[in-house]
Amino acid sequence: ETGVTQTPRHLVMGMTNKKSLKCEQHLGHNAMYWYKQSAKKPLELMFVYNFKEQTENNSVPSRFSPECPNSSHLFLHLHTLQPEDSALYLCASSQDQGTYGYTFGSGTRLTVV
Amino acid sequence: QQQVKQSPQSLIVQKGGISIINCAYENTAFDYFPWYQQFPGKGPALLIAIRPDVSEKKEGRFTISFNKSAKQFSLHIMDSQPGDSATYFCAASRATDYKLSFGAGTTVTVRA
Repeated sequence: ETGVTQTPRHLVMGMTNKKSLKCEQHLGHNAMYWYKQSAKKPLELMFVYNFKEQTENNSVPSRFSPECPNSSHLFLHLHTLQPEDSALYLCASSQDQGTYGYTFGSGTRLTVV
Repeated sequence: QQQVKQSPQSLIVQKGGISIINCAYENTAFDYFPWYQQFPGKGPALLIAIRPDVSEKKEGRFTISFNKSAKQFSLHIMDSQPGDSATYFCAASRATDYKLSFGAGTTVTVRA
């Protein structure tokens, strides 16, 4: 394990479902991120939290709702998703301004049916 | 707009050969250039990183070459091994920013 734990590892949900992805980091980092990874495309930054305050929302549709109750936990709440939202969702954390590198979790493989 | 362009999309190399992956960036404010390695079923892991004050950095069989004037940097994997088979991502960021901009990735296959 890298110190960033994501659950569940796999998730299949219908378009009318509501589900949540969870991320927990044990590294004492102060910044956390959600990225979307689709095949053959660059990782897409979705949200950035610094000291549990959202500092970036990269024009993400409102059907994705992040929550960061503290610097160690990050959630991504999902509702009324579309099939094109199927992807690997990666959580990452970093210390300070990220120039020391992110630590990624193993991701949640989401399939929307 | 994609801020970091990576090529090739995939490459196959024989065991013992050299793998070369290239990246180009547009934003001259970028001053941190990491490479990440991702195995199937895992998240990307930091492999090696460079700052623009040096032209080359080597860690074991992995070397980053950096050309500031051309706004290009590359990863060389020397003596490639089957265990190096993975997807490699280049990235870039500014020291004042939390955001990493990633390339699209290169899938490297090392044939035994």
